[in-house]
Amino acid sequence: GAGVSQSPSNKVTEKGKDVELRCDPISGHTALYWYRQRLGQGLEFLIYFQGNSAPDKSGLPSDRFSAERTGESVSTLTIQRTQQEDSAVYLCASSTKFGRGPAPNTGELFFGEGSRLTVL
Amino acid sequence: QKEVEQDPGPLSVPEGAIVSLNCTYSNSAFQYFMWYRQYSRKGPELLMYTYSSGNKEDGRFTAQVDKSSKYISLFIRDSQPSDSATYLCAMTTSGNTGKLIFGQGTTLQVKP
Repeated sequence: GAGVSQSPSNKVTEKGKDVELRCDPISGHTALYWYRQRLGQGLEFLIYFQGNSAPDKSGLPSDRFSAERTGESVSTLTIQRTQQEDSAVYLCASSTKFGRGPAPNTGELFFGEGSRLTVL
Repeated sequence: QKEVEQDPGPLSVPEGAIVSLNCTYSNSAFQYFMWYRQYSRKGPELLMYTYSSGNKEDGRFTAQVDKSSKYISLFIRDSQPSDSATYLCAMTTSGNTGKLIFGQGTTLQVKP
């Protein structure tokens, strides 16, 4: 497909279980982002990958959260020992390198539809 | 205090009304300002983008940035029911990555 693809679209899990969320970015996009959106809230930055550079992990809320990306393709966000406060929609976005878009810095992130996580 | 403040609404207006959506921010280093629109159970999509201060118009939409007041606005003219969505402001510092700081989002309903 042409857009950012995320799976699963919905995940219900029990407290204490590990979950893995997957993101397929738009082909050719070198930058990939994970954001979290709690109910009725804005988007909270989690982590950013740009090519082969070290990822910016400054938004990860705890060491239970981790993410990997293979080259400039698929990324997985892993949450270990899930807690109820982890319930949210996890959004992935991709972009050309910021500032390298078709127009001078369009700032356009292309988002997937998200993975809705419910921790019981 | 959050870096970006946005009234969550909800805001309900009749079709054809002019809508004003606003955000305030505290970080004077922000240089790039965006408005994203998010339909229910969808990912956000970029609506407007502005660099530094000034106005930008695109059809029925106008974005304004007042850096001296740390205040940005989005105006929607002749609002339509299809404009019903959540509108999120976002911003980032000059030269930064696409690590955007988002407002809480304002939910807008345009009634026919």
